[in-house]
Amino acid sequence: NAGVTQTPKFQVLKTGQSMTLQCAQDMNHNSMYWYRQDPGMGLRLIYYSASEGTTDKGEVPNGYNVSRLNKREFSLRLESAAPSQTSVYFCATNSGTHRGEQYFGPGTRLTVT
Amino acid sequence: GQQVMQIPQYQHVQEGEDFTTYCNSSTTLSNIQWYKQRPGGHPVFLIQLVKSGEVKKQKRLTFQFGEAKKNSSLHITATQTTDVGTYFCAGLPAGSYQLTFGKGTKLSVIP
Repeated sequence: NAGVTQTPKFQVLKTGQSMTLQCAQDMNHNSMYWYRQDPGMGLRLIYYSASEGTTDKGEVPNGYNVSRLNKREFSLRLESAAPSQTSVYFCATNSGTHRGEQYFGPGTRLTVT
Repeated sequence: GQQVMQIPQYQHVQEGEDFTTYCNSSTTLSNIQWYKQRPGGHPVFLIQLVKSGEVKKQKRLTFQFGEAKKNSSLHITATQTTDVGTYFCAGLPAGSYQLTFGKGTKLSVIP
């Protein structure tokens, strides 16, 4: 079992370009999350999906969109990248109670110039 | 908004010394979780505390949840070089569906 996978691992974008970060899980979990991690800031929730077909905003949703394509996949889209979106992005899942442990993917390191 | 404050931000210890990191929430928490992130890696779940005053141990690691369910601590006894990394607490505020992470404590262990 791969657990939680993310693609790509690294990406460099120019300001204004768009891209989609992909996340997939084979854990049969209902809930999926997108976080960003900046130095000294901990992890901040961008969006989450409690189940297939539902998405909700987190703490820092501006500039991002998400799609819960099916139970396995949850993508994060940057429509017009900005330097402030330079960060490490982590996808996470849990079994769906919001109370249990979260399993994180390996992360995508994004630089916007 | 809801906040989880974590101190210290950095801690350098000699191998064999003890280490403690503290979390404080502005609101009552349903539970608190602890994660460890190695340099260049992703957060890995360590433990979850749910009950008021709960204490759990994992080998050299001791986790506590305060009586008021607003604070927590992680204590490592006799640190080893394998303990290096950043330790995050993450609280689930009562009535919320969103974990709020502390900013983490970065532990360095000098051999």
